[in-house]
Formats: sequence, C-alpha cells, structure tokens
Amino acid sequence: EVQLVQSGAEVKKPGESLSISCKGSGYKFTGYWIVWVRQMPGKGLEWLGTIDPSDSYTYYSPSFRGHITISADKSITTAYLQWSNLKASDTAMYYCARHQYSSSHFDYWGQGTLVTVSS
Amino acid sequence: DIQMTQSPSSLSASVGDRVTITCRAGQSINNFLHWYQQKPGKAPRLLLYSASSLQTGVPSRFSGSGSGTFFSLSISSLQPEDFATYYCQQTYSTPHTFGQGTNVEIK
Repeated sequence: EVQLVQSGAEVKKPGESLSISCKGSGYKFTGYWIVWVRQMPGKGLEWLGTIDPSDSYTYYSPSFRGHITISADKSITTAYLQWSNLKASDTAMYYCARHQYSSSHFDYWGQGTLVTVSS
Repeated sequence: DIQMTQSPSSLSASVGDRVTITCRAGQSINNFLHWYQQKPGKAPRLLLYSASSLQTGVPSRFSGSGSGTFFSLSISSLQPEDFATYYCQQTYSTPHTFGQGTNVEIK
C-alpha cells in the first residue's frame, strides 16, 4: 500500500527555522517525484515545488523560490520541506504528494503538517 | 502563470442531483488537467487525471471531459459523501496551478 506519512504539527516564532518531513513507503521511492503543496487557512491549494528523489533535482514555484528548500534522502525514503527564516504568513497546512511522471498528476497525498508561526 | 478559473465557486444540490463543475485555463493545456476532492480537515484526493481518466477506486458516477482550455467534472447522482470542495489543476507548465475551488453543499 502506497503511503506518505508526514511529521507532526509545529509551532514556531517568526525568524526561526523549520524542517518538516514526508516518508514514503509501499512503492519505489526513487521511481516517482514528490511535491509539496500549501493550503493557507480557509484558502485553496498552491504548488510549492517538486523533487526527483533519485537525483534530488528540484524545481520551485517562482512565488516560493528562495524562501523554501526542498530536499530528499533516498536512503530513508524521506522528503523534506525547510525554512530558514519563518514568517507569520507561512502559517498553513502543508501537504506532500506523489507526482506521477506520465500524466503529471498528484496521485497519493500525505495527511498534512500544520505549521503555525506566531510571536 | 496559467490561471485556472472554476465555475461556480459554490453550489447547493440535493442527493441524487447531477452536478457539473467547469474549469477554464488561461491558455491551452492539452489534457494536463486533473480533478481533486477535498473534505474538511482532510488531504485532497485525486479523482480524475488527464481530463477524463478515473483514478483507481473512484466511483464511476464521477466523470470528466474537455481539452485545450475548457474542462468539466460531472457527478451523475450526488451522494452524501460527495459534499466537499473540488479543485481542478493544470500540470502542463510550471507553476502547476489550481483553480480556486468549488464548494458543493447540501441543499
């Protein structure tokens, strides 16, 4: 069974750093890309970026490039979303998902990680 | 960026109704158009990919059509578990943009 299991909720202060994780299982981790998607409170879905875990090639939405870092450790089948300087506007639910090469859709999703940034 | 515009933003319907949601892309996206369902407090779930292909495990009352710039999602007979928010998404080019969502509510 394909599963993406994300790390737990986080509460941080502005300016702090954070890394959240997404562990894949039940499939060949290096055979599919991983994406991160943001959902701000009461709002819609926004794609942040995609990583190919086989070689860590990454591409970002221009809206988020420079503010986030996406990485992966294929040895432990885990992808990461990282911030070095959190802002209150980063408060949101963050989802990882598996990105199919062929039709480029997101077929399996993690349960989400709620990040709250508040002073 | 390719803008995705869904219509309507919300609708009220009754169990058993046929419901159609449309999604218009700001430029041609071939058939790189996918539909997701999201229930409150839950992760999105893929319903259809490549405009009309039903994801494994999704009931056949869901169907999709379209190509180029205009697409639609239909639910042939609305069931209680279908009340949710629906999003279209394009992956023809980056950034992979989503529509604003359509909230399907109980009438």
